[in-house]
Formats: sequence, structure tokens, C-alpha cells
Amino acid sequence: RKEVEQDPGPFNVPEGATVAFNCTYSNSASQSFFWYRQDCRKEPKLLMSVYSSGNEDGRFTAQLNRASQYISLLIRDSKLSDSATYLCVVNNQAGTALIFGKGTTLSVSS
Amino acid sequence: DTAVSQTPKYLVTQMGNDKSIKCEQNLGHDTMYWYKQDSKKFLKIMFSYNNKELIINETVPNRFSPKSPDKAHLNLHINSLELGDSAVYFCASSPSRASPQETQYFGPGTRLLVL
Repeated sequence: RKEVEQDPGPFNVPEGATVAFNCTYSNSASQSFFWYRQDCRKEPKLLMSVYSSGNEDGRFTAQLNRASQYISLLIRDSKLSDSATYLCVVNNQAGTALIFGKGTTLSVSS
Repeated sequence: DTAVSQTPKYLVTQMGNDKSIKCEQNLGHDTMYWYKQDSKKFLKIMFSYNNKELIINETVPNRFSPKSPDKAHLNLHINSLELGDSAVYFCASSPSRASPQETQYFGPGTRLLVL
């Protein structure tokens, strides 16, 4: 099993749609979880951290299920500017580095 | 003010050559990283340095040698370049070794093409 697995997509949605991305991770000892965003030909940037209780930042909601080793990201009211690749990220067993998923590509159209 | 900068942005070179990529961060962070993103967009860590000390060295060919002259700089030297080295190389930094899982700030990337 890969360390971090994501559905690569692409997800093609119209503006205003709600879209959900899922991610699973293999290391039950992971303690830190994030969603990063990477625009085409740009560097990854932190979108949000993911906490056990779930957390929301505007139109973005992240959830963590430790028992299932599953992380999700929900985007409501999609905007054209949300088009990007979303990377699921967890820390490694030693806690010294981040492990990135391959990313899920989102394309929002008008 | 660029937080993490890399040079060059693009690098096209022939097989067998030796090349270096430079990285600098002005965030005062203790920990710096090199990542490789291949053609399939998979981002994988190569090296991590904390305050000039190597703390992570993933299974990377020894043709790749990182060098950290001070904690604000982490350079990557590649010997005898191969076609498979073509990728985007990202430098990143984070506040400390104790919590590298804190936000990592990435440089803009260096696009390396080996012909």
C-alpha cells in the first residue's frame, strides 16, 4: 500500500459545485495532516492543516478519521480560481518529513 | 521579498554534465529540504538539513550531494547527470527540526531537463 493515496482525478465541475476529495494513508503513527495546493507550474502551498475534530476555513472543510486512516477535503461553491492540484500530506513515521500524495486535479469551469 | 528562492529557474544540460542548484531562505528557519517532482507530478523528499546538519537522506543516488554552507542556504550538486534526473526540484524550509510538519515554504522550483 502506498504511503499516501489519492484519486488523481481530474475532477471537472461547474462553478458553484461542491466537490470532495479523499485520501488514505498507511502509517497509523502519523500525527500531522495537511492539504496543500499546487497550481500548474508553481510550487505547493499550504491550504490548511487537518485536525481530528475537523476544521473549516471559509469554503473549505477538512476532516480526519484516524481509525480509518482517511482524510477528506470538501470545497463548497467552487470558483474558477480553485482549479489546481490538491495534495494530501502526512508526516513520516519519524516525524521528520512530510509525505505527499500524488495529488487530485480539480478543474472548475464557467 | 521572496521567502525561499532558487536559482536557476530553468536548467537544460547534456547527459554526463555536473550542475548545481542553489537555494536560499530569508525566513530564519532552521530546517531546509530538497524535493524532486517527476513527470508524473509525484513530489518526493530527497534530503533534509537542520542547521547545516544532514538529518534525512532518502534513497537518492550518491551523484546527488547537498551542501549547506549556513542554515539559510542549501545547495544541490548533481554529478554525471542522467536522462532520468529530468524533473522539477523544489527547495523548502520549515521553522525547526522538532516540528518539520509545520508549514513548509517552497521555493519556485528549478526545472531541469537533461538531453
